[in-house]
Amino acid sequence: AQTVTQSQPEMSVQEAETVTLSCTYDTSESDYYLFWYKQPPSRQMILVIRQEAYKQQNATENRFSVNFQKAAKSFSLKISDSQLGDAAMYFCAYRDNRDDKIIFGKGTRLHILP
Amino acid sequence: NAGVTQTPKFRVLKTGQSMTLLCAQDMNHEYMYWYRQDPGMGLRLIHYSVGEGTTAKGEVPDGYNVSRLKKQNFLLGLESAAPSQTSVYFCASSYPLYYILNTGELFFGEGSRLTVL
Repeated sequence: AQTVTQSQPEMSVQEAETVTLSCTYDTSESDYYLFWYKQPPSRQMILVIRQEAYKQQNATENRFSVNFQKAAKSFSLKISDSQLGDAAMYFCAYRDNRDDKIIFGKGTRLHILP
Repeated sequence: NAGVTQTPKFRVLKTGQSMTLLCAQDMNHEYMYWYRQDPGMGLRLIHYSVGEGTTAKGEVPDGYNVSRLKKQNFLLGLESAAPSQTSVYFCASSYPLYYILNTGELFFGEGSRLTVL
């Protein structure tokens, strides 16, 4: 079964600095999607960035980028120029065509220090 | 365009009571999911549905039942609530991956906080 592991329960970063959140996954599939979702205190789930496994180029959305290492099954999220509004829980998620389940990691709580 | 709507947002139950959480989506999505979120556990999949009239078990299905009688609605039922079911419940929907131009992402409701005393 597919699994998603986020090894950092909590992280802190100084405002305006860069932080990287780690995610590893396990799958035998070759075609899949990976996502990072943000959950601020409002509890709303917000898509931050997505990556299709067949694309070698790492996805980028403004200050958010990923380092996708398919062979290592690693999918880390880099947040540049951290802002107070980035404080939230971040979830890594995996999806493939095989059984339609979408599996989440346990999350990383990110604190931004002013 | 409401997206994904969950009803109710909050509920307090006594052990042994039953209740139903309703999820409604207006995006014509085929797939719908119910997750529960507990501290330190992330989001765990309870049940999901890949189309009207179909349901399947997720990671933590015990104690829950679901129904998908209409494409836009996905109901989560607790027949005999237990304190272990105290949680925040999220409904989500999406297109299948094989749909052209599908981005693969889930669209979430705002969550329903359930407390079982």
